[in-house]
Amino acid sequence: EAQVTQNPRYLITVTGKKLTVTCSQNMNHEYMSWYRQDPGLGLRQIYYSMNVEVTDKGDVPEGYKVSRKEKRNFPLILESPSPNQTSLYFCASSLAGGGEQYFGPGTRLTVT
Amino acid sequence: GQNIDQPTEMTATEGAIVQINCTYQTSGFNGLFWYQQHAGEAPTFLSYNVLDGLEEKGRFSSFLSRSKGYSYLLLKELQMKDSASYLCAVERGNAGNMLTFGGGTRLMVKP
Repeated sequence: EAQVTQNPRYLITVTGKKLTVTCSQNMNHEYMSWYRQDPGLGLRQIYYSMNVEVTDKGDVPEGYKVSRKEKRNFPLILESPSPNQTSLYFCASSLAGGGEQYFGPGTRLTVT
Repeated sequence: GQNIDQPTEMTATEGAIVQINCTYQTSGFNGLFWYQQHAGEAPTFLSYNVLDGLEEKGRFSSFLSRSKGYSYLLLKELQMKDSASYLCAVERGNAGNMLTFGGGTRLMVKP
């Protein structure tokens, strides 16, 4: 089954404790992206990747890192999480930039 | 900055027609997406407009006017399962690599 998976689905952590949210797709898509979704603000793009080793900032990249060492995986790294990063995070992939995006199920992160 | 506006909430009756508007002012424009998002779920693709005009797909249609910075999503023969949020998103960037979303419109369909 074609899908985008994210782990963990739920995470509660404390300020400053490094964490990684994994994202994997099995559709051989070149393009992957991370978003956060907050009430009243909608979905905002954090980072995107056009291919292996090619990443760039979206609209809200501060406090986040990404890497794309393999085509299928695009982890999101929070080196020192803060409470304002409490949010619902979605990973997405598409065949190419500008195509229909397939979203993962989401990761609900709470930073206390 | 990027600015995409949609109404926050709308209510409509089962079987009726509803139009959800989206206006945008962005630096760069390649095309416009509409996504549907049910509560607690991931967004799913509905439509993509690049050229001006109406694109029809079953009960859903989407319209784009690039000169006016305006789009709408038209939902016909509303069903209860259409109760969801509808997200308008502008695609921009040299390779369509950036996607900016509006805040979403929560549609409630009543019997």
